[in-house]
Amino acid sequence: AQSVSQHNHHVILSEAASLELGCNYSYGGTVNLFWYVQYPGQHLQLLLKYFSGDPLVKGIKGFEAEFIKSKFSFNLRKPSVQWSDTAEYFCAVNPRGFNKFYFGSGTKLNVKP
Amino acid sequence: DTAVSQTPKYLVTQMGNDKSIKCEQNLGHDTMYWYKQDSKKFLKIMFSYNNKELIINETVPNRFSPKSPDKAHLNLHINSLELGDSAVYFCASSQDISGRTDTQYFGPGTRLTVL
Repeated sequence: AQSVSQHNHHVILSEAASLELGCNYSYGGTVNLFWYVQYPGQHLQLLLKYFSGDPLVKGIKGFEAEFIKSKFSFNLRKPSVQWSDTAEYFCAVNPRGFNKFYFGSGTKLNVKP
Repeated sequence: DTAVSQTPKYLVTQMGNDKSIKCEQNLGHDTMYWYKQDSKKFLKIMFSYNNKELIINETVPNRFSPKSPDKAHLNLHINSLELGDSAVYFCASSQDISGRTDTQYFGPGTRLTVL
């Protein structure tokens, strides 16, 4: 069965620290990859997505993610976090050709001011 | 304009009751979904509808019944509510472009509390 793993469940950083959140998936076929963010009390919003092409994708608010096919990974990065980045981050995988998304269990990020 | 809307936002009810949650999207998308987010924030797909037809039905008790009157609406009816049904339910929609499913847009969620 397909699965998505986010190994960091809770990350605490100080402002200006660099961020990297891991995401690994277990599907052998072609996939579309997404990172969503859920700010406290709000719904999920798209941060960035990868369909094809350059494996380094840039999203909103200075976030980027790199798809490494050989490692089945799609890690999220930001060079300098802000307090406003405090939120829950979800990685999602969509096997190409299927109307189905598999979500990771989420990583809660707390940024200290 | 709200892209994906859900009503109600909060729902508190007693065990054994029947309740419905409504979802509407004004994005013109072909596919709509229902997800359940549990207390640990784990998001799990329940149903997926494409042009009013059910295409995904995960292992969900048959007390949960989705209804899609048209492709802009996907409602979720729950019979005989149980304590374990307490969760946040998210509706989402996406568009198929050349056979590829694009980004999902999520509604604000409905927090269901069963007492």
